[in-house]
Amino acid sequence: DAKTTQPNSMESNEEEPVHLPCNHSTISGTDYIHWYRQLPSQGPEYVIHGLTSNVNNRMASLAIAEDRKSSTLILHRATLRDAAVYYCILRDVDDYKLSFGAGTTVTVRA
Amino acid sequence: DTGVSQDPRHKITKRGQNVTFRCDPISEHNRLYWYRQTLGQGPEFLTYFQNEAQLEKSRLLSDRFSAERPKGSFSTLEIQRTEQGDSAMYLCASSPRAGNYGYTFGSGTRLTVV
Repeated sequence: DAKTTQPNSMESNEEEPVHLPCNHSTISGTDYIHWYRQLPSQGPEYVIHGLTSNVNNRMASLAIAEDRKSSTLILHRATLRDAAVYYCILRDVDDYKLSFGAGTTVTVRA
Repeated sequence: DTGVSQDPRHKITKRGQNVTFRCDPISEHNRLYWYRQTLGQGPEFLTYFQNEAQLEKSRLLSDRFSAERPKGSFSTLEIQRTEQGDSAMYLCASSPRAGNYGYTFGSGTRLTVV
């Protein structure tokens, strides 16, 4: 399985942007970069995914480095409800499994 | 459709008892997955169904575990002769027929074996 590296934890202030880094130096050409988040006592929630180009949706933006060896999930204005564990996952286009690591625990201060 | 439903949300059982969990996926999703998550860890893949066919089982799924998806709709996960090490959150997810889509997860069933 392709591996990702994320910081264990990050803190942010409410209404400020949050930039969550993810390194994936061994990414292959057919690996998509997926982000999920998991709020306390809930199942993971899909956030966003991309292949090469930056992606935006109502929840977040995904910025992908030109060499694809790293990416950054951007929460534009953090709210207290964004406090969660964020997982960066590589998933091959033909694979159906998600391989979760330990993720980044995001704390949002009021 | 209200998403992926799992029942029960919590289950406490004595060691050695059998337990069964149910998952109702999003109706138009033909792919269904079970994951297990222990405290402080990310979810781990257990098994995958495409329609009613179970196409992959993880090594984590010992002989005491069995999963079914009759008629390609809801799924059940049964654990026989439960052990304390089975205590975990059991998560179900579903995804559409094909393509690189995100999964939709349920809220999980938290199992505690005492």
